[in-house]
Amino acid sequence: DAGITQSPRHKVTETGTPVTLRCHQTENHRYMYWYRQDPGHGLRLIHYSYGVKDTDKGEVSDGYSVSRSKTEDFLLTLESATSSQTSVYFCAIRAGAIQETQYFGPGTRLLVL
Amino acid sequence: KQEVTQIPAALSVPEGENLVLNCSFTDSAIYNLQWFRQDPGKGLTSLLLIQSSQREQTSGRLNASLDKSSGRSTLYIAASQPGDSATYLCALLRSGAGSYQLTFGKGTKLSVIP
Repeated sequence: DAGITQSPRHKVTETGTPVTLRCHQTENHRYMYWYRQDPGHGLRLIHYSYGVKDTDKGEVSDGYSVSRSKTEDFLLTLESATSSQTSVYFCAIRAGAIQETQYFGPGTRLLVL
Repeated sequence: KQEVTQIPAALSVPEGENLVLNCSFTDSAIYNLQWFRQDPGKGLTSLLLIQSSQREQTSGRLNASLDKSSGRSTLYIAASQPGDSATYLCALLRSGAGSYQLTFGKGTKLSVIP
């Protein structure tokens, strides 16, 4: 699992509340990614980071913000959660000694009521 | 914009059968193509990675091919087993994508019946 953990693993929240998801890695990788996975849409990139304090938007960034104050932590914040943000959120890191690929965390299931 | 299509969306086969999963893409300017496996409620696990200069990669019972000119990749699974039941996703890395952003297909859900 490349030392990637996500917390919480499950969360239920109400519309309009802020929510922060955490991705933690133990191997000092530079690149980290947040995806959401929805039926009929597959995996879509929300934001990614290429270093401490260096982030950029992905395909579906509206309504989300990220922060990376330490190499090992990449936080995803839903500023005001909506029902359309009910999804499974995956964090990934870029790594590989011979061939680079992405390694994924176990995911966070978020339900916005 | 790169579009990645996986057909079929779901597939059910009896144990022991050989099978092929398909992935097609619209932009041939790719750096590499990867096949991932996802078990229910789990994250993704990389199975095979094919560089754009390669035609195929093999790992055990799995063989992945890449034909950039036709915009197609296939994942061949030999002698399927119930443990192969999962969703299989292909993902492309676009040429020049320094951020290493992957574009995913929606996946093929495979069920291998004992």
